[in-house]
Amino acid sequence: DTEVTQTPKHLVMGMTNKKSLKCEQHMGHRAMYWYKQKAKKPPELMFVYSYEKLSINESVPSRFSPECPNSSLLNLHLHALQPEDSALYLCASSQGVTAPGAKNIQYFGAGTRLSVL
Amino acid sequence: KNQVEQSPQSLIILEGKNCTLQCNYTVSPFSNLRWYKQDTGRGPVSLTIMTFSENTKSNGRYTATLDADTKQSSLHITASQLSDSASYICVVSATSGTYKYIFGTGTRLKVLA
Repeated sequence: DTEVTQTPKHLVMGMTNKKSLKCEQHMGHRAMYWYKQKAKKPPELMFVYSYEKLSINESVPSRFSPECPNSSLLNLHLHALQPEDSALYLCASSQGVTAPGAKNIQYFGAGTRLSVL
Repeated sequence: KNQVEQSPQSLIILEGKNCTLQCNYTVSPFSNLRWYKQDTGRGPVSLTIMTFSENTKSNGRYTATLDADTKQSSLHITASQLSDSASYICVVSATSGTYKYIFGTGTRLKVLA
């Protein structure tokens, strides 16, 4: 099973709403990632979790709050978002953050298409 | 500065034809280079991954090459199919304690019948 599952597939929210994006993998991977992707642009790294601890925060605004409840789950809590936060949010996982070569392949989920009104 | 540049930005070809996409990078220290295929609105899917010592890697009709001396990679698609229409992203990993992934801006390929 090389699947990373993201829910929901689509989300529309107002600027005062609180919502959460969920990501799940059962490959035994110990590194999980959140990316934001705008149309026709490459994914931009937001957060990296390694062994359930936040390893990298790429200066993401506090209205995005990640959470890693266990090694298989990764959440992204959203609060007071802006219309410019509308994007495709991708979750990925890999065996480890520092594992070399082929072990470091990132497997991506299908993404959550977020629209902020 | 670590950068990954891809060319062309977009490409239109007829079904059955071959094409080659280019990726130049200035990432150091180099760890590995990956090609991903991303369908519109979907997550990227890994096609190939190559480390410093690998010159070529194939995955079906996709063949990637790597020249670590010139810091160039190419992705060759043979006998294109309509389903090959997607964005192809080159991602280079640098390592300096913690892996960083530098994404190229991608090549948008459109295959016409």
